[in-house]
Amino acid sequence: GEDVEQSLFLSVREGDSSVINCTYTDSSSTYLYWYKQEPGAGLQLLTYIFSNMDMKQDQRLTVLLNKKDKHLSLRIADTQTGDSAIYFCALGPGRRALTFGSGTRLQVQP
Amino acid sequence: DTGVSQDPRHKITKRGQNVTFRCDPISEHNRLYWYRQTLGQGPEFLTYFQNEAQLEKSRLLSDRFSAERPKGSFSTLEIQRTEQGDSAMYLCASSLGGQGYEQYFGPGTRLTVT
Repeated sequence: GEDVEQSLFLSVREGDSSVINCTYTDSSSTYLYWYKQEPGAGLQLLTYIFSNMDMKQDQRLTVLLNKKDKHLSLRIADTQTGDSAIYFCALGPGRRALTFGSGTRLQVQP
Repeated sequence: DTGVSQDPRHKITKRGQNVTFRCDPISEHNRLYWYRQTLGQGPEFLTYFQNEAQLEKSRLLSDRFSAERPKGSFSTLEIQRTEQGDSAMYLCASSLGGQGYEQYFGPGTRLTVT
């Protein structure tokens, strides 16, 4: 089955850039997503990228996809304390089940 | 846009009891998904519907679990004879049909089985 790996924890200072990484094993995934989860809440869709793209930028968010290495990253520019949350990468064929990583907890220090 | 809603937000039950959760998707979305999330883990897929048809079920969905979407709008997830291992956050998501690749999640129902 699919395997999605993320590092557990990342700590950055306010104003710095954050880079959250994700590696996966199934190269047939068509869509790759980033979700944000705050304590006790559901998941908020941040952005997603099609597998035929290398990069997508959306305001402070930049997604990079390296298909050869099966590596996905999310860069958050000018990280704010409100960005503190758990970030999940997820993969899917598009309109069916998503497979999630175990999440990276981002801590932003003032 | 009211988003995906779930009810109840929290449920505490005793082992062996039955529980039922409800999910109301975004109104124009015809696909609805159920996921389960345990502490420290990402969500795991349980099942999904297109309109009223249940198109896929995970092996995680044991015989004690049943989901319905009778009129293609809201959905219910029932767990019979609950076990302590069922304690988790149950998340519902919805998406548009056709080119709808974006799944939008509700706030979840946290189940605690004592």
